[in-house]
Amino acid sequence: EEQMVESGGGLVQPGGSLRLSCVGSGFRFSGYWMNWVRQAPGKGLEWVANIKKDESEKFYVDSVKGRFTISRDNAKNTLYLQMNSLRVEDTAVYYCATEGGVAGGHSAFDIWGQGTMVMVSS
Amino acid sequence: EIVLTQSPGTLSLSPGERATLSCRASQSVNYRYLGWYQQKPGQAPRLLIYDASRRATGIPDRFSASGSGTDFTLTISRLEPEDFAVYYCQQYGTSPWAFGQGTKVEIK
Repeated sequence: EEQMVESGGGLVQPGGSLRLSCVGSGFRFSGYWMNWVRQAPGKGLEWVANIKKDESEKFYVDSVKGRFTISRDNAKNTLYLQMNSLRVEDTAVYYCATEGGVAGGHSAFDIWGQGTMVMVSS
Repeated sequence: EIVLTQSPGTLSLSPGERATLSCRASQSVNYRYLGWYQQKPGQAPRLLIYDASRRATGIPDRFSASGSGTDFTLTISRLEPEDFAVYYCQQYGTSPWAFGQGTKVEIK
């Protein structure tokens, strides 16, 4: 079964840091672009960042540039999101998601994790 | 960056009825790289449609989609009770990727 499992969420004060992890199984993790998507309470989906299969390309939404860093360890089938200088508006459920494109190209997000909650509050 | 606008915000329908959801992009979506997702409360989104019109694995054929350029449509031919949910469109043709704000399909 193809699945992804996030961890690392929690309560953090404004200005603090967290590192999220996402472990994939049941598919060739190293072959695909990987993404982070977030959803603030009661709101819609917001794409956050993505990373190419070999880490040669990374992209971010403007609101997290310079604060968040996406990375991956293909040997461990794990995707990461290092979040620094957290703000109240970063409060959300964070999902990891796979772009299951042919030959590792861009595609819609076909495998999603269950999400991990990040709450930024004093 | 591309902004996706979905309409209507809420669609109130009865089981068995047809649902038509719209997604309009502020610029042309490259390669028709547009997807549709379904999300139920407390769950992760589920991919329904990719590349504007291709059904994802395991998605029933009552879900269909069409469109190109800036205008895209998701149609649910006959609503089943499990179809009442929020639907999002997403473009992955031009970075940064973007989602629409969602359309809620609720029971009338």
